[in-house]
This record gives sequence, structure tokens and C-alpha cells, in this order.
Amino acid sequence: QQQVKQSPQSLIVQKGGIPIINCAYENTAFDYFPWYQQFPGKGPALLIAIRPDVSEKKEGRFTISFNKSAKQFSLHIMDSQPGDSATYFCAASRRGSTLGRLYFGRGTQLTVWP
Amino acid sequence: KAGVTQTPRYLIKTRGQQVTLSCSPISGHRSVSWYQQTPGQGLQFLFEYFSETQRNKGNFPGRFSGRQFSNSRSEMNVSTLELGDSALYLCASSLGWDSSYEQYFGPGTRLTVT
Repeated sequence: QQQVKQSPQSLIVQKGGIPIINCAYENTAFDYFPWYQQFPGKGPALLIAIRPDVSEKKEGRFTISFNKSAKQFSLHIMDSQPGDSATYFCAASRRGSTLGRLYFGRGTQLTVWP
Repeated sequence: KAGVTQTPRYLIKTRGQQVTLSCSPISGHRSVSWYQQTPGQGLQFLFEYFSETQRNKGNFPGRFSGRQFSNSRSEMNVSTLELGDSALYLCASSLGWDSSYEQYFGPGTRLTVT
């Protein structure tokens, strides 16, 4: 059972465009929602993360929007660049007996054309 | 500060053999988690260790095991390798054992089973 559902599976945008990647979850106990960026041959790198007490968080060109009532969150990449071409994963974790475990979405392969 | 290191980076093993992978967390980090990444299943949680104790385990067969040493370094072992064990094995470290702490991934060990 997929705890975190991510869409789309792949995304192609022109340079300067604003790709949006969406994730949805069911478990209301989740309280930490990070996004990871992975380049081929590398491990996932933490990009930005949000907790459910805020609805939006910005770090540079990356913004997370969080809708607690809809149990959805999304990543927006402003002014996208070819160097942003990578696979993006959303994830979620919760306090309790599974401390430290991340539940990942299936990933979105982003291609930014110059 | 050095990041998470994993050794070896690449491994080729034959079906039926066993393998041991190593992970050195970021200095000061006491929690280590292991994930398996495959194109078909995505990122799947294997187990998590904190202060030499396994705190959580994913849905993998008993052939997959791990341990953590007093210096927080961790190893995972896979016995009786199967073709389906071919994957990128990722280690992540964090300061603590709840979702207040961010997880940082290493570059992974690419295991190929022939």
C-alpha cells in the first residue's frame, strides 16, 4: 500500500517555466514532509521540508504548498533551469513507533529544456 | 563536515552469495536508516538503528539484516542473494530518532546480482 502518492510520473518544461509536483497522503499522523532531489548516480539530497503547522515554505526558487485538510502538498520550482533536471521525491514521516522512517512517493522525473 | 559515506560504491555478486555493505554517518549523527531503491518499487525502507539498537524494520525477508556499532557506523548484510536483490542501497543519517531531525543520504551502493 502506497502511503504517499506522487504525480506526475514525468514532467517536461521549458527553461523559465514553473513545474509543479503533487503528493497526497492518507495518514493524518504524518507530521514531516520533505522533498528530495536525486541526480543519476547520486543519492537523494534534501531539498526543502515542511511541517503541517504552516501552509507554505519558500527556499530560493523552491516552494512547498501544504493543504492539511486535503492531505496534499506540492513542490513548485520557480524559473526552472536545465540544471534542475532530476528526479524529485516527496516523502512523509510520523512520530511514534516508526520514528525516523520516511515513506516515499514513487518520484517525478523532471526535464527542463533550454 | 563530511557527508554520509558508503562503501563499496559498486558490487557484483552471484546468486546465493552474501554481501555486506557499510555506512558511515555524518559526524555526530546517531541514527542510521537503510533504504532499497529499484525502478519497480521505488524507495523502500529496510531498517533503522539508533544507539546500536534496531528501532524499526521494513517488510523485507530475514535475509536482510543490519547492525550499528558504538561509533554509529552501520552495516547491512544480505544473505543468499537473489536476482531481485539487485538495487541501489542507500543509507541515511540523522541527529536523532524522530521526525524533528532531517535525514541525509549517502551516494548508495549499487549491487548487481548475476
